[in-house]
Amino acid sequence: DTGVSQDPRHKITKRGQNVTFRCDPISEHNRLYWYRQTLGQGPEFLTYFQNEAQLEKSRLLSDRFSAERPKGSFSTLEIQRTEQGDSAMYLCASSLLGGLNTEAFFGQGTRLTVV
Amino acid sequence: DQQVKQNSPSLSVQEGRISILNCDYTNSMFDYFLWYKKYPAEGPTFLISISSIKDKNEDGRFTVFLNKSAKHLSLHIVPSQPGDSAVYFCAASAQRNFGNEKLTFGTGTRLTIIP
Repeated sequence: DTGVSQDPRHKITKRGQNVTFRCDPISEHNRLYWYRQTLGQGPEFLTYFQNEAQLEKSRLLSDRFSAERPKGSFSTLEIQRTEQGDSAMYLCASSLLGGLNTEAFFGQGTRLTVV
Repeated sequence: DQQVKQNSPSLSVQEGRISILNCDYTNSMFDYFLWYKKYPAEGPTFLISISSIKDKNEDGRFTVFLNKSAKHLSLHIVPSQPGDSAVYFCAASAQRNFGNEKLTFGTGTRLTIIP
């Protein structure tokens, strides 16, 4: 295991379709985060899990977005009825809960384009 | 409400000279600060971090300075190399108080090293 893996790397979808992204964190990491990055901005927090529990959701995460992390391993992020404003890079990160001050490691992201 | 600000969108530095990237924050609850480097079409890569109990942290060519009273941090790269050309993001979290490693990012500074 060499890092956080995200699939697919790119996704083009028509407006109104549903899409699902997958993230496989570093194997021993128990915290998993989803971020979204649009052009010219830094990544923005969407949600995070500690093991299988979803502990926080950002106001950016509308009802059309849902994330899961069954069994505390990989995670999925689903967007229903996609809109053009959903076009962005979706980033997953993981970290190890332990002592304080632990950095998060990011995957390469999934680039979503809604046409 | 931009809680982490990187006021310089871009910076050009001659190879071999020092690169200084700046970051300001407004949330006094932030107690852990990180710098990430990002190449196009890739996820952010962790570079260096600093806890609020320190004012300096070094790792090879990279040094981060924290001035808590000014709510300001800076990343120094010396000597700068062509491979350092990338977008650099400053990020902050409130780990000690909230036990939450959720990161708040700045908008990034594009560093170009001129050979």
